[in-house]
Amino acid sequence: DTAVSQTPKYLVTQMGNDKSIKCEQNLGHDTMYWYKQDSKKFLKIMFSYNNKELIINETVPNRFSPKSPDKAHLNLHINSLELGDSAVYFCASSQGVGTTEAFFGQGTRLTVV
Amino acid sequence: RKEVEQDPGPFNVPEGATVAFNCTYSNSASQSFFWYRQDCRKEPKLLMSVYSSGNEDGRFTAQLNRASQYISLLIRDSKLSDSATYLCVVNMPRGSTLGRLYFGRGTQLTVWP
Repeated sequence: DTAVSQTPKYLVTQMGNDKSIKCEQNLGHDTMYWYKQDSKKFLKIMFSYNNKELIINETVPNRFSPKSPDKAHLNLHINSLELGDSAVYFCASSQGVGTTEAFFGQGTRLTVV
Repeated sequence: RKEVEQDPGPFNVPEGATVAFNCTYSNSASQSFFWYRQDCRKEPKLLMSVYSSGNEDGRFTAQLNRASQYISLLIRDSKLSDSATYLCVVNMPRGSTLGRLYFGRGTQLTVWP
């Protein structure tokens, strides 16, 4: 029983394409996040939703649009992909906002060619 | 100053060694502190929370010094399976930046036989 699952695990696509990554958690948490881990392994928050409401929106290009249809799901859509978007994208969830342990999905390794 | 700073290492130690990692954080109002572990090409996972009084979990001991804004992790009797990247994680409190978790860049540990 995977707690936080995201799909796909690997994504290779051409520049200019639009792609989506899906995330689901079955932990009953009220907060979900998207993190980006670049080639230097730095893990940086992109977005956070609490009870389907966007509460954190870091300085991310507006080509990135998160959507949370319900508390258990947080998807990430990326328009007009660029080479610099290549990274590992992690979905995570927690109970409460930032004060408790965050559980991470396995990551989506995005490669833009 | 970065929100969370860690020595990136790498630390290369023999089995059985004791190794210590340090981390400093910038926001004196931070209230939650964690050490995460990330294996190569895997997601980060919670190793332990860090409490003001310090806490121990088997071979792992975490310490917090609020006055110096400093967190440490001590690993005794290192095992080959301890080889991983150790991430220092600190929350920013509610009311300022809505309780987001900030990750350090991680300290890479390799334990050799």
